[in-house]
Amino acid sequence: DTEVTQTPKHLVMGMTNKKSLKCEQHMGHRAMYWYKQKAKKPPELMFVYSYEKLSINESVPSRFSPECPNSSLLNLHLHALQPEDSALYLCASSQDPGVETQYFGPGTRLLVL
Amino acid sequence: GENVEQHPSTLSVQEGDSAVIKCTYSDSASNYFPWYKQELGKRPQLIIDIRSNVGEKKDQRIAVTLNKTAKHFSLHITETQPEDSAVYFCAASTGGSEKLVFGKGTKLTVNP
Repeated sequence: DTEVTQTPKHLVMGMTNKKSLKCEQHMGHRAMYWYKQKAKKPPELMFVYSYEKLSINESVPSRFSPECPNSSLLNLHLHALQPEDSALYLCASSQDPGVETQYFGPGTRLLVL
Repeated sequence: GENVEQHPSTLSVQEGDSAVIKCTYSDSASNYFPWYKQELGKRPQLIIDIRSNVGEKKDQRIAVTLNKTAKHFSLHITETQPEDSAVYFCAASTGGSEKLVFGKGTKLTVNP
């Protein structure tokens, strides 16, 4: 089962709100990723978790805070976002970090007002 | 770091024709090259990938070729169908790296 799930599908939030995005996979994958995708652009890597530890932070502003509670779950906590943060947020996972196929979730479409 | 260039940015073909999308990469150490298809409002889905120890790979109407010397790889879709219409992204990854570097995408339109 190559399924990565994400909730919620859509999210509208104000600039003072705190919200969280959730990602789950039950494929036993040991690497999980957060990407941001703006319209008509490729996915842009934000964070990588390898074996539940943060291994890459692509200089993402601190208003985005990732968390990996266990090997199947990945959260992205959002606080004090800006309108320019509106985008599709994609989660992905791979069997192992490194040169392996990444499987994407359906994404959360975020609108910041 | 790795840089991936993808061409063309848009491609329009008639149903039944072939479509070719080309990507070049800069890091000679890159050794994994996936292609993703993304339909409007959907997730990127892996359609085919190739590793640097292979020159060509086929899966039904889809094929990927890799030229390590020239540092380019291409996606070939034969007998195109309207449902092939989507944005296609190429990507490259270096062995041991957790990063996939994506091309900017090609919007393919297959006209009935």
